Amino acid sequence: QQPVQSPQAVILREGEDAVINCSSSKALYSVHWYRQKHGEAPVFLMILLKGGEQKGHEKISASFNEKKQQSSLYLTASQLSYSGTYFCGVIGGATNKLIFGTGTLLAVQP
Amino acid sequence: ETGVTQTPRHLVMGMTNKKSLKCEQHLGHNAMYWYKQSAKKPLELMFVYNFKEQTENNSVPSRFSPECPNSSHLFLHLHTLQPEDSALYLCASSQATIRGGSNQPQHFGDGTRLSIL
Repeated sequence: QQPVQSPQAVILREGEDAVINCSSSKALYSVHWYRQKHGEAPVFLMILLKGGEQKGHEKISASFNEKKQQSSLYLTASQLSYSGTYFCGVIGGATNKLIFGTGTLLAVQP
Repeated sequence: ETGVTQTPRHLVMGMTNKKSLKCEQHLGHNAMYWYKQSAKKPLELMFVYNFKEQTENNSVPSRFSPECPNSSHLFLHLHTLQPEDSALYLCASSQATIRGGSNQPQHFGDGTRLSIL
């Protein structure tokens, strides 16, 4: 089953923070996060493996709670360049079958 | 040269036509993927190839026929498509283990925008 993301859409002012959640009904092996700008290819952000690790890249970080089968993406001090649709992708076992979530549209305004 | 290249970028075809989408990756990866992205819908996995072998067919109708002649090239052959097949078709590649497991990021091409008349 497809993971569910929330919120579906969020509008921010530059400098504000946002959290995007990804929930799965199945046990997860890993969670991937991607950002897709309109008319462009999805771009990889980060991968989290089971074990509850947290990763970060500049002002974008993520956590993975395997017990709750959830992952959250944290965007701090948002910039205009953060605008786009964020997708989580989940893998349920030792495969590379990545199932993407419903997507979250993020719009950062000046 | 970009990592994953898809051609054509746009394709308009009738329901009785036969056409092919092409994907080429220059990243030295051994796994390749086809995804479908319809308007206001998430990315939908279609096929997975690991080391040229198809390891996943996500219940895709037979009017879509993939082909992977080598680890760098992936094709999607189309025939007698339906209007609901109009979508953006994305190709991706990644590193993978022989058993198909992967915690490696997938690198996407820019996609082929397909319109069925």
